Amino acid sequence: DAGVTQSPTHLIKTRGQQVTLRCSPKSGHDTVSWYQQALGQGPQFIFQYYEEEERQRGNFPDRFSGHQFPNYSSELNVNALLLGDSALYLCASSLRPGGGTEAFFGQGTRLTVV
Amino acid sequence: ELKVEQNPLFLSMQEGKNYTIYCNYSTTSDRLYWYRQDPGKSLESLFVLLSNGAVKQEGRLMASLDTKARLSTLHITAAVHDLSATYFCAVDNAGGTSYGKLTFGQGTILTVHP
Repeated sequence: DAGVTQSPTHLIKTRGQQVTLRCSPKSGHDTVSWYQQALGQGPQFIFQYYEEEERQRGNFPDRFSGHQFPNYSSELNVNALLLGDSALYLCASSLRPGGGTEAFFGQGTRLTVV
Repeated sequence: ELKVEQNPLFLSMQEGKNYTIYCNYSTTSDRLYWYRQDPGKSLESLFVLLSNGAVKQEGRLMASLDTKARLSTLHITAAVHDLSATYFCAVDNAGGTSYGKLTFGQGTILTVHP
């Protein structure tokens, strides 16, 4: 079992550009959540996808959007990048939102906006 | 809005000593998680606490949950250097069919000295 995998591991972008981050959930999991972790802080919930729909959303602007595919993998898209978007982006997978199962985190994508 | 507060935020311990990290949260929840994070790495799940009075132990770490007091503790016994890391508690504040939105504390940076 490969666990939760994310790509790429590191990324450098310029202000104003757009970025797409990818996540493959742990085998058997169908729910993917995305978190942003700024340096020195705890992760903050961005949104959650289940059955290819956004089910819950945190306090993030519309520049942050996502998608879930039929194979349960997910993408996080960020448009019009700001310097403040520099962070570690973590993907977590679990078994359906009502299942209340433990969330497993991927290794993260370190995004640097210059 | 759910708030999760940890204290202390910084903890410098001598090897062999005992200490406790506290996690308070502001709204009712019966699902609390503890994670460990090493520098530049992702989150490693330590404990899942799902009911009032739950107590779990793994090696030198023991976690407990008091849902009435909205308090969880992570107790460290006879600390060793390998425990040096940042520890986060996270509360799953949704219910029904909407579990999986974790709100994290600020993290406790633990350093164990010889």
